[in-house]
Amino acid sequence: QVQLQESGPGLVKPSQTLSLTCTVSGVSISSSGDHWGWVRQPPGKGLEWIGSIYYRGGTFYAPSLKSRVTISLDMSKNQFSLKVNSVTAADTAVYYCARLEGGSGFDYWGQGTLVTVSS
Amino acid sequence: DIQVTQFPSSVSASVGDRVTITCRASLVISGWIAWYQQKPGKPPKLLIYAATTLQSGVPSRFSGSGSGTDYTLTISNLQPEDVATYYCQQPYSFPLTFGGGTKVEIK
Repeated sequence: QVQLQESGPGLVKPSQTLSLTCTVSGVSISSSGDHWGWVRQPPGKGLEWIGSIYYRGGTFYAPSLKSRVTISLDMSKNQFSLKVNSVTAADTAVYYCARLEGGSGFDYWGQGTLVTVSS
Repeated sequence: DIQVTQFPSSVSASVGDRVTITCRASLVISGWIAWYQQKPGKPPKLLIYAATTLQSGVPSRFSGSGSGTDYTLTISNLQPEDVATYYCQQPYSFPLTFGGGTKVEIK
């Protein structure tokens, strides 16, 4: 059974870097042909795709976030990570990690973690 | 980039009613659309992918249709547990995009 779990600080100061990790169990991210991605949801708002990474290392980012976002893989730990630089209050959201199964959509999701940007 | 417009933004219907939600893509996406259900405090749940394929375990009262740029999620025989917000998403090309969501309530 595939499971994903986000971890990281719940509070980040403005202008600092938001860092989250997604730990995957039940499947190896290095042997799967899937993409692994991040989606966020500001309080009371809709879903926003942040970016995705392919196990061979290719990355894709939302144009609105591309200059501030990095997604990377740690195959030895079966994890992938998200970094968002220079955060502002607008980056306050629940952050989800998820598996993108080809063109089928995100079929497995983490439970989500709320990150608040505040001094 | 492919924009996805979802409507209506909210719908209120009675138990047993048929509810239809539509997504329109700015380009032809050749059936590559997914539908999700999200309940408060929970992650989205994949309901339908490739426009018409029901994800395993999803009740058969959910169905999807469409082609080209226009796609529809239908909930037939609306049940109280279907109260949620529904999103469409195009996995056809990067950057991936979601519709704005449709909140489904019971009258």
